[in-house]
Amino acid sequence: QKEVEQNSGPLSVPEGAIASLNCTYSDRGSQSFFWYRQYSGKSPELIMSIYSNGDKEDGRFTAQLNKASQYVSLLIRDSQPSDSATYLCAVTSYDKVIFGPGTSLSVIP
Amino acid sequence: GAVVSQHPSRVICKSGTSVKIECRSLDFQATTMFWYRQFPKKSLMLMATSNEGSKATYEQGVEKDKFLINHASLTLSTLTVTSAHPEDSSFYICSANDRGLNQPQHFGDGTRLSIL
Repeated sequence: QKEVEQNSGPLSVPEGAIASLNCTYSDRGSQSFFWYRQYSGKSPELIMSIYSNGDKEDGRFTAQLNKASQYVSLLIRDSQPSDSATYLCAVTSYDKVIFGPGTSLSVIP
Repeated sequence: GAVVSQHPSRVICKSGTSVKIECRSLDFQATTMFWYRQFPKKSLMLMATSNEGSKATYEQGVEKDKFLINHASLTLSTLTVTSAHPEDSSFYICSANDRGLNQPQHFGDGTRLSIL
């Protein structure tokens, strides 16, 4: 069974701090990696996608991928209360997308 | 951008009722759509892959006779929860994209199903 794991949290950070979210996956053949944000009662929305080793930055968000370690992370700089949500790591595995259990982030004003 | 529409957004019905949920790709054709179920404070669990013009592929543990999937056109997939019971109450979400599995999925807004 292909798996994606995340710390469930909750992760609490003060406003303006850096939030660091981590994800590991079991399928070495995975090619595509995504971070989604999900507010309570809503469907997920895409934050970042990353396909090659290294860092990818988009505004306050930076995704990091290390395929050798089967590890992908998301950094949120200058965290805002509006960033409070559950962050889902998703990984493609053969013919489907596997989601991690999500990390709940709370940004404290 | 690509949009996926899901309807209805909320259903409340009695036990034993069958409920149909629609998932439409509004501005692209989707040969494949995915159906997920999400329980409170849990992650998305893939239920099945809906394939246009052929049978759906169900994940292990998902009853295909309970959760009927029909993907009769390139823009519409339906999930029917047959003879629903309270344990079927959940948040059901569909997704699709127009550029293959290695590109991000576009999600519908989800359907909150409550069985009394």
